[in-house]
Amino acid sequence: GENVEQHPSTLSVQEGDSAVIKCTYSDSASNYFPWYKQELGKGPQLIIDIRSNVGEKKDQRIAVTLNKTAKHFSLHITETQPEDSAVYFCAASIGGGGFKTIFGAGTRLFVKA
Amino acid sequence: DVKVTQSSRYLVKRTGEKVFLECVQDMDHENMFWYRQDPGLGLRLIYFSYDVKMKEKGDIPEGYSVSREKKERFSLILESASTNQTSMYLCASSTTGYTGELFFGEGSRLTVL
Repeated sequence: GENVEQHPSTLSVQEGDSAVIKCTYSDSASNYFPWYKQELGKGPQLIIDIRSNVGEKKDQRIAVTLNKTAKHFSLHITETQPEDSAVYFCAASIGGGGFKTIFGAGTRLFVKA
Repeated sequence: DVKVTQSSRYLVKRTGEKVFLECVQDMDHENMFWYRQDPGLGLRLIYFSYDVKMKEKGDIPEGYSVSREKKERFSLILESASTNQTSMYLCASSTTGYTGELFFGEGSRLTVL
């Protein structure tokens, strides 16, 4: 079945540095790749997503890249701030509605002030 | 502001007890989901529903059942709780269509003794 691998499991950076989280997926039919941020005591929340017809998408300090050939996608956070500290999940899905969404295991990001 | 509300944030139950986890969404979404979150395993789908009274098994349905009598409400039922069901349970909803974004509740942490 579909599998999404996410690395690293833990990432610690200094405030102002960049953070990169990488994911690979197995099902070539996947066409939607969301990233969710989960703050302590809260549910995951979508922060950025990318579709298979796009190679890169940026929203202020966060960006996502997709390499369909290699089945890789990555989250880049620049100029990290303490409030970026959270657990980040990548996911891959097929079609709309969220039915076939497979999540990675998560990355716990610590941003040290 | 869109909202998915889970009725219980923390529950402690004994082995063999019947457990109900309730979820309500106010976005008129067609689809609702129950996920289980465990460290190192990410989010795993237990059950989902795409319409009232409709339900589909996810990846780990064993030991669980669900009920959707109204569009806004989706309940997860543990008929006879076991210690290996100690976990964080997340409810989510989505709309059918191009986007696959999931809207999550804040989670229900269940401990089975």
